[in-house]
Amino acid sequence: GDSVTQMEGPVTLSEEAFLTINCTYTATGYPSLFWYVQYPGEGLQLLLKATKADDKGSNKGFEATYRKETTSFHLEKGSVQVSDSAVYFCALSDGNDMRFGAGTRLTVKP
Amino acid sequence: DAGVTQSPTHLIKTRGQQVTLRCSPKSGHDTVSWYQQALGQGPQFIFQYYEEEERQRGNFPDRFSGHQFPNYSSELNVNALLLGDSALYLCASSLWPRGAYEQYFGPGTRLTVT
Repeated sequence: GDSVTQMEGPVTLSEEAFLTINCTYTATGYPSLFWYVQYPGEGLQLLLKATKADDKGSNKGFEATYRKETTSFHLEKGSVQVSDSAVYFCALSDGNDMRFGAGTRLTVKP
Repeated sequence: DAGVTQSPTHLIKTRGQQVTLRCSPKSGHDTVSWYQQALGQGPQFIFQYYEEEERQRGNFPDRFSGHQFPNYSSELNVNALLLGDSALYLCASSLWPRGAYEQYFGPGTRLTVT
Protein backbone atom coordinates (compact mmCIF):
# COMPACT_ATOMS: atom_id res chain seq x y z
CA GLY A 1 0.00 0.00 0.00
CA ASP A 2 0.90 3.66 -0.10
CA SER A 3 3.60 4.71 2.35
CA VAL A 4 5.98 7.48 3.33
CA THR A 5 9.60 7.20 4.40
CA GLN A 6 11.25 10.04 6.26
CA MET A 7 14.84 10.78 7.09
CA GLU A 8 15.64 9.51 10.55
CA GLY A 9 16.36 11.98 13.28
CA PRO A 10 17.03 13.57 15.49
CA VAL A 11 18.40 16.57 13.64
CA THR A 12 20.25 19.24 15.59
CA LEU A 13 21.13 22.56 13.95
CA SER A 14 22.41 25.94 15.02
CA GLU A 15 20.19 28.97 14.56
CA GLU A 16 20.25 30.36 10.98
CA ALA A 17 21.47 27.05 9.54
CA PHE A 18 19.90 25.52 6.41
CA LEU A 19 17.42 22.72 6.97
CA THR A 20 16.58 19.75 4.77
CA ILE A 21 14.40 16.87 5.91
CA ASN A 22 14.10 14.14 3.30
CA CYS A 23 10.81 12.44 2.48
CA THR A 24 10.10 9.86 -0.20
CA TYR A 25 6.84 8.13 -0.94
CA THR A 26 5.43 5.01 -2.55
CA ALA A 27 1.99 5.26 -4.13
CA THR A 28 0.01 3.55 -6.87
CA GLY A 29 -1.84 6.72 -7.88
CA TYR A 30 -1.24 10.44 -7.60
CA PRO A 31 -1.54 11.37 -3.95
CA SER A 32 -1.46 14.77 -2.33
CA LEU A 33 1.58 15.36 -0.13
CA PHE A 34 1.81 17.20 3.17
CA TRP A 35 4.17 18.33 5.88
CA TYR A 36 2.79 18.58 9.40
CA VAL A 37 4.54 19.95 12.48
CA GLN A 38 3.98 18.88 16.08
CA TYR A 39 5.18 21.06 18.92
CA PRO A 40 5.66 19.49 22.37
CA GLY A 41 2.36 18.56 24.00
CA GLU A 42 0.30 19.62 21.02
CA GLY A 43 -1.52 18.06 18.09
CA LEU A 44 -0.45 18.26 14.46
CA GLN A 45 -0.51 21.50 12.50
CA LEU A 46 -0.52 21.57 8.72
CA LEU A 47 2.68 23.28 7.58
CA LEU A 48 2.34 23.02 3.80
CA LYS A 49 0.90 20.84 1.07
CA ALA A 50 1.13 20.07 -2.65
CA THR A 51 -1.57 18.35 -4.65
CA LYS A 52 0.16 17.54 -7.96
CA ALA A 53 3.55 17.02 -9.51
CA ASP A 54 5.85 20.07 -9.61
CA ASP A 55 3.67 21.98 -7.14
CA LYS A 56 5.62 23.83 -4.49
CA GLY A 57 4.09 24.22 -1.05
CA SER A 58 5.40 27.01 1.17
CA ASN A 59 4.64 28.51 4.55
CA LYS A 60 6.57 30.38 7.25
CA GLY A 61 9.80 30.12 5.25
CA PHE A 62 9.46 26.36 4.74
CA GLU A 63 9.22 24.93 1.22
CA ALA A 64 8.73 21.53 -0.38
CA THR A 65 8.33 20.56 -4.05
CA TYR A 66 6.34 17.55 -5.24
CA ARG A 67 8.81 15.58 -7.39
CA LYS A 68 7.07 12.75 -9.21
CA GLU A 69 10.23 11.57 -11.00
CA THR A 70 12.05 10.99 -7.71
CA THR A 71 8.89 10.35 -5.62
CA SER A 72 10.11 12.90 -3.12
CA PHE A 73 8.79 15.84 -1.11
CA HIS A 74 11.79 17.15 0.83
CA LEU A 75 11.24 19.94 3.37
CA GLU A 76 13.64 22.89 3.31
CA LYS A 77 14.15 26.15 5.15
CA GLY A 78 16.94 28.61 4.49
CA SER A 79 17.47 29.84 8.04
CA VAL A 80 16.03 27.99 11.02
CA GLN A 81 15.09 29.57 14.33
CA VAL A 82 14.96 28.15 17.85
CA SER A 83 11.17 28.33 17.60
CA ASP A 84 11.27 25.79 14.72
CA SER A 85 12.23 23.06 17.18
CA ALA A 86 9.51 20.43 16.82
CA VAL A 87 8.73 17.07 15.22
CA TYR A 88 8.03 17.17 11.48
CA PHE A 89 5.86 14.60 9.72
CA CYS A 90 5.63 13.94 6.02
CA ALA A 91 2.28 12.51 4.90
CA LEU A 92 0.37 11.50 1.81
CA SER A 93 -3.29 11.07 0.99
CA ASP A 94 -5.17 9.52 -1.89
CA GLY A 95 -8.39 11.08 -0.59
CA ASN A 96 -9.42 8.12 1.54
CA ASP A 97 -7.05 8.30 4.46
CA MET A 98 -3.75 9.88 5.39
CA ARG A 99 -0.47 7.97 5.78
CA PHE A 100 2.27 9.51 7.91
CA GLY A 101 5.98 8.98 8.16
CA ALA A 102 7.59 8.24 11.51
CA GLY A 103 8.52 11.86 12.09
CA THR A 104 11.82 13.75 12.35
CA ARG A 105 12.68 15.60 15.52
CA LEU A 106 14.41 18.92 14.90
CA THR A 107 16.25 20.79 17.64
CA VAL A 108 17.62 24.26 16.89
CA LYS A 109 20.22 25.63 19.29
CA PRO A 110 20.89 29.35 19.79
CA ASP B 1 -13.80 30.23 15.89
CA ALA B 2 -13.13 27.15 18.00
CA GLY B 3 -10.84 24.60 16.51
CA VAL B 4 -10.96 20.87 17.11
CA THR B 5 -11.38 20.04 20.79
CA GLN B 6 -10.81 16.72 22.52
CA SER B 7 -11.53 15.42 25.98
CA PRO B 8 -10.15 14.34 28.29
CA THR B 9 -6.57 15.55 27.95
CA HIS B 10 -5.08 12.63 29.81
CA LEU B 11 -6.49 9.30 30.92
CA ILE B 12 -5.12 6.35 32.87
CA LYS B 13 -6.83 2.97 32.58
CA THR B 14 -6.14 -0.61 33.59
CA ARG B 15 -5.79 -3.54 31.22
CA GLY B 16 -9.15 -5.02 30.30
CA GLN B 17 -11.09 -1.84 30.94
CA GLN B 18 -13.01 0.17 28.39
CA VAL B 19 -12.44 3.82 27.47
CA THR B 20 -14.36 6.52 25.60
CA LEU B 21 -12.66 9.54 24.06
CA ARG B 22 -14.53 12.55 22.71
CA CYS B 23 -14.00 15.00 19.90
CA SER B 24 -15.76 18.15 18.73
CA PRO B 25 -14.90 19.17 15.17
CA LYS B 26 -13.96 22.61 13.96
CA SER B 27 -16.97 24.80 13.28
CA GLY B 28 -18.37 24.09 9.82
CA HIS B 29 -16.77 20.65 9.50
CA ASP B 30 -18.85 17.50 9.13
CA THR B 31 -16.27 14.71 9.01
CA VAL B 32 -14.20 13.30 11.86
CA SER B 33 -11.20 11.01 11.61
CA TRP B 34 -9.36 9.31 14.47
CA TYR B 35 -5.67 8.45 14.63
CA GLN B 36 -3.47 6.58 17.09
CA GLN B 37 0.04 7.95 17.64
CA ALA B 38 2.34 5.67 19.61
CA LEU B 39 5.36 7.26 21.28
CA GLY B 40 7.99 8.18 18.72
CA GLN B 41 5.82 7.17 15.77
CA GLY B 42 3.65 8.87 13.20
CA PRO B 43 -0.14 8.81 13.52
CA GLN B 44 -1.94 5.70 12.28
CA PHE B 45 -5.42 6.03 10.79
CA ILE B 46 -8.15 4.28 12.79
CA PHE B 47 -11.39 5.30 11.05
CA GLN B 48 -13.41 8.16 9.63
CA TYR B 49 -17.04 9.18 10.26
CA TYR B 50 -19.40 11.13 8.04
CA GLU B 51 -23.17 11.38 8.31
CA GLU B 52 -23.01 9.26 11.45
CA GLU B 53 -21.53 6.31 9.55
CA GLU B 54 -18.06 4.81 9.45
CA ARG B 55 -16.77 5.56 5.95
CA GLN B 56 -13.17 4.34 6.05
CA ARG B 57 -11.29 2.11 8.44
CA GLY B 58 -7.62 1.43 8.97
CA ASN B 59 -6.01 -1.76 10.17
CA PHE B 60 -7.38 -1.78 13.73
CA PRO B 61 -9.26 -4.58 15.51
CA ASP B 62 -12.97 -4.47 16.28
CA ARG B 63 -12.12 -3.47 19.86
CA PHE B 64 -11.89 0.01 18.39
CA SER B 65 -15.30 1.44 17.58
CA GLY B 66 -16.74 4.85 17.11
CA HIS B 67 -19.79 6.96 16.83
CA GLN B 68 -20.75 10.27 15.31
CA PHE B 69 -23.61 12.36 16.61
CA PRO B 70 -26.01 14.63 14.67
CA ASN B 71 -23.99 17.68 15.77
CA TYR B 72 -20.92 16.06 14.07
CA SER B 73 -19.09 15.39 17.33
CA SER B 74 -17.61 11.95 17.70
CA GLU B 75 -16.55 9.32 20.22
CA LEU B 76 -13.84 6.70 20.03
CA ASN B 77 -14.40 3.61 22.16
CA VAL B 78 -11.76 1.02 22.95
CA ASN B 79 -12.75 -2.21 24.69
CA ALA B 80 -10.60 -4.74 26.52
CA LEU B 81 -7.66 -2.38 26.76
CA LEU B 82 -4.16 -3.73 26.18
CA LEU B 83 -0.87 -2.22 27.28
CA GLY B 84 -0.14 -1.60 23.61
CA ASP B 85 -3.13 0.73 23.36
CA SER B 86 -1.17 3.35 25.30
CA ALA B 87 -0.79 6.24 22.87
CA LEU B 88 -1.84 9.74 21.93
CA TYR B 89 -5.23 9.62 20.22
CA LEU B 90 -5.77 12.39 17.73
CA CYS B 91 -9.01 13.56 16.24
CA ALA B 92 -9.06 15.43 12.94
CA SER B 93 -11.98 17.21 11.35
CA SER B 94 -12.65 18.16 7.77
CA LEU B 95 -15.37 18.91 5.24
CA TRP B 96 -16.69 16.03 3.15
CA PRO B 97 -15.67 14.91 0.58
CA ARG B 98 -12.23 16.50 0.90
CA GLY B 99 -11.70 14.75 4.20
CA ALA B 100 -8.19 13.54 3.74
CA TYR B 101 -6.93 16.66 2.01
CA GLU B 102 -7.85 19.38 4.46
CA GLN B 103 -7.71 17.99 7.97
CA TYR B 104 -7.42 20.00 11.18
CA PHE B 105 -6.13 18.17 14.22
CA GLY B 106 -7.03 18.49 17.85
CA PRO B 107 -4.46 18.44 20.68
CA GLY B 108 -5.08 14.78 21.39
CA THR B 109 -5.92 12.58 24.38
CA ARG B 110 -3.00 10.83 26.04
CA LEU B 111 -4.14 7.34 27.09
CA THR B 112 -1.97 5.31 29.46
CA VAL B 113 -2.89 1.67 30.08
CA THR B 114 -1.30 0.06 33.15
